[in-house]
Amino acid sequence: GQNIDQPTEMTATEGAIVQINCTYQTSGFNGLFWYQQHAGEAPTFLSYNVLDGLEEKGRFSSFLSRSKGYSYLLLKELQMKDSASYLCAPMDSNYQLIWGAGTKLIIKP
Amino acid sequence: GAVVSQHPSWVICKSGTSVKIECRSLDFQATTMFWYRQFPKQSLMLMATSNEGSKATYEQGVEKDKFLINHASLTLSTLTVTSAHPEDSSFYICSARQGGEHEKLFFGSGTQLSVL
Repeated sequence: GQNIDQPTEMTATEGAIVQINCTYQTSGFNGLFWYQQHAGEAPTFLSYNVLDGLEEKGRFSSFLSRSKGYSYLLLKELQMKDSASYLCAPMDSNYQLIWGAGTKLIIKP
Repeated sequence: GAVVSQHPSWVICKSGTSVKIECRSLDFQATTMFWYRQFPKQSLMLMATSNEGSKATYEQGVEKDKFLINHASLTLSTLTVTSAHPEDSSFYICSARQGGEHEKLFFGSGTQLSVL
């Protein structure tokens, strides 16, 4: 079957660094997406990894290990506006995104 | 980046009426669009996949006669909730697939539907 596993909730301090882990099992693989979603809003695209390794984009970085079925999203210099849900979504062989429940990130001053 | 426009942002309607939601890809052609619904504090639930020029593919448990999807052009897909009931109240989100070398999925801003 297809499955996504990421922590339900995480708490971090403003200015710090946080890593959100995601493990997945899919029927085939065509890359993995990370999305940010604020309450009551649609998801916003953050990153896309299709090859192993780290992709850095400003304060956000995303890592992928295809052999391990593992990815993480790294957020640096946390800001209060980063409080949101972060959705890990691998794409299967049919190019369908498989959605997990997301990780709710709470940033404290 | 690519832009997907969804309209309306919110709508309140009476039970038994129909509501149409539009999803447009503004600066790219989207051969495939997806429709999701999301209840509070829950993950996105894929309702259907809409392919331009053909019938939509509905996920198990989604009534195709209740949620009518039309994808008449490469930049427009519509979702019509027919004979809406209070249990249809939800956040509906569309997304459009941008193909090419780095295939990506972009989301509309969502539509909050409240059925009285």
